[in-house]
Amino acid sequence: EAGVTQFPSHSVIEKGQTVTLRCDPISGHDNLYWYRRVMGKEIKFLLHFVKESKQDESGMPNNRFLAERTGGTYSTLKVQPAELEDSGVYFCASSPYRTTGAFLAEAFFGQGTRLTVV
Amino acid sequence: AQKITQTQPGMFVQEKEAVTLDCTYDTSDPSYGLFWYKQPSSGEMIFLIYQGSYDQQNATEGRYSLNFQKARKSANLVISASQLGDSAMYFCAMREGLIQGAQKLVFGQGTRLTINP
Repeated sequence: EAGVTQFPSHSVIEKGQTVTLRCDPISGHDNLYWYRRVMGKEIKFLLHFVKESKQDESGMPNNRFLAERTGGTYSTLKVQPAELEDSGVYFCASSPYRTTGAFLAEAFFGQGTRLTVV
Repeated sequence: AQKITQTQPGMFVQEKEAVTLDCTYDTSDPSYGLFWYKQPSSGEMIFLIYQGSYDQQNATEGRYSLNFQKARKSANLVISASQLGDSAMYFCAMREGLIQGAQKLVFGQGTRLTINP
């Protein structure tokens, strides 16, 4: 079974440009999360989708960030326009949604996209 | 507010020794979950072990165990018989609430573990 896939793995863009990151969750996982780690700091939550709906976007830093999950499958995170402080590693994670029984404890993470804004 | 603290930025351990990675947490929610993830140089985050706040026993997964001290709000990871492949960044994380599907995690800053041959 394929894991969470993110691409590109690396992206270097100039300040003011637009970048779109993509995440393909594990098939059948309704929950999709975006996290970010800025250099030297802890990994921080950005937002959470349940299928195509945004469940929690309290971690989105500002309106330059736009996340979508059309059709409840893959998700994109667009940064427009990018600023220097947006540099970091962007992680995507997914987990299944269970309505009965024991819930799955862990979320499965992708390898991350390293974004560098110069 | 939720907070995770990992006080060891880096640790160096001899192969085959046991190692304890420290993690303390702060939350006012009685229901929470604690996680440890490993991030090797390849970048992916690998789930290691989970402890629920109501679990009576410490979690164990192979060579990994979680020393859960609820009153002290600590959740240290213990790796027994360390191997060279254990060299990686290790993150402690907490999820508040036990609502199914809610996986908003708060992470610590991580500990870089290096195993020496």
